[in-house]
Amino acid sequence: GESVGLHLPTLSVQEGDNSIINCAYSNSASDYFIWYKQESGKGPQFIIDIRSNMDKRQGQRVTVLLNKTVKHLSLQIAATQPGDSAVYFCAETLNDYKLSFGAGTTVTVRA
Amino acid sequence: GAVVSQHPSWVICKSGTSVKIECRSLDFQATTMFWYRQFPKQSLMLMATSNEGSKATYEQGVEKDKFLINHASLTLSTLTVTSAHPEDSSFYICSARDLGTTGELFFGEGSRLTVL
Repeated sequence: GESVGLHLPTLSVQEGDNSIINCAYSNSASDYFIWYKQESGKGPQFIIDIRSNMDKRQGQRVTVLLNKTVKHLSLQIAATQPGDSAVYFCAETLNDYKLSFGAGTTVTVRA
Repeated sequence: GAVVSQHPSWVICKSGTSVKIECRSLDFQATTMFWYRQFPKQSLMLMATSNEGSKATYEQGVEKDKFLINHASLTLSTLTVTSAHPEDSSFYICSARDLGTTGELFFGEGSRLTVL
């Protein structure tokens, strides 16, 4: 079935630098997208979301960008901190129902 | 904020036994809960949609007779792994949608199943 994929499985970033995590989705009909953070042995934690009628949304230190033309989603983390080390998943859904998760990107923050 | 609780958080069982995992929405009601399975270093894969008062809807490839889902109340869904085998060892995660506010989806902390 349709699924969301990620460009890079791992990302190493220096503490204090900005991080960019990318995601390609395949279902052009998806209308709602969410980024999750998952720490080892825990459930996914909501970071930020965006609907298909928007192309950018900002939160605290995070920004999500949506490019529907190329079906691309990205998460930008400003001033990355050690606590940001985790696996990041993008997820898509149609009509706000079932979520389809991407493969995940492991972010490691170097001190 | 809204909380989804899973119990047990980890369980070890012998091959051939059955294991029940509970998913509770602690301060909101959820007519729909979702069960996911996550193998090491992999993504979350949706197993089934649990509907309060009716049968669960299973994703393609998920055996409904092996993964029994019961959603008896608006705050509780259970997943029973029947006749568990080592290949069923995984991280099982549930999520629940809060009907009362924005319909936001909340995830539990997961249940680690190890089958010996």
